[in-house]
Amino acid sequence: EVQLVESGGGLVKPGGSLRLSCAASGFTFNNVWMSWVRQAPGKGLEWVGRLKSETGGETTDYAAPVKGRFTISRDDSKDTLYLQMNSLKTEDTAVYYCTTDQAGITGTPYQFYYYMDVWGKGTTVTVSS
Amino acid sequence: SSELTQDPAVSVALGQTVRITCQGDSLRSSYASWYQQKPGQAPVLVISGKNNRPSGIPDRFSGSSSGNTASLTITGAQAEDEADYHCNSRDSSVRPVFGGGTKLTVL
Repeated sequence: EVQLVESGGGLVKPGGSLRLSCAASGFTFNNVWMSWVRQAPGKGLEWVGRLKSETGGETTDYAAPVKGRFTISRDDSKDTLYLQMNSLKTEDTAVYYCTTDQAGITGTPYQFYYYMDVWGKGTTVTVSS
Repeated sequence: SSELTQDPAVSVALGQTVRITCQGDSLRSSYASWYQQKPGQAPVLVISGKNNRPSGIPDRFSGSSSGNTASLTITGAQAEDEADYHCNSRDSSVRPVFGGGTKLTVL
């Protein structure tokens, strides 16, 4: 069974740091793109950032609000994805989900697609003084 | 623009058909995907690509698109379909984008 389990959330003061983990099982970890998606209380989903697979170049991309503050990495020996969050702001308060991503082109005429097929249950981050 | 727009709330009578829409320029060249999210739970993928349902998703859920608008249709809505529905697509930099979500109420 494909499974993602996040951990590491908690209460942190503004300006502080936190590292989230996402333990993966049931699939070949380094063959997939993976993202972090967050949801602030009462709000919609917001993509945070992504780590491409080894065949995709293992590059990272980040949403503008977190670029320069957040870093995504992974440990293949532990099948674990990480989100290092520094210089945290109150607006970073949210439930953080990790996902596996599928992206490509299909059809005639071609159409792009991008979807998150597996989601973890999430971990809550609260940034407050 | 990479933004996706959804109606904040939609309601449907039990057993009737409801369409939830998602608008954005990126949808002219990219399929929308749809996620169902119940209170306190993680989102669940219900539609991807042209109209693909993952295993376990009832066939009353279907997807379609026209121009810059994608739609999720629930044919014969059930009480358990009451949830938030989020659409997503990708921008020109292959970055995922989400709509603001639609709260579906089944009356």
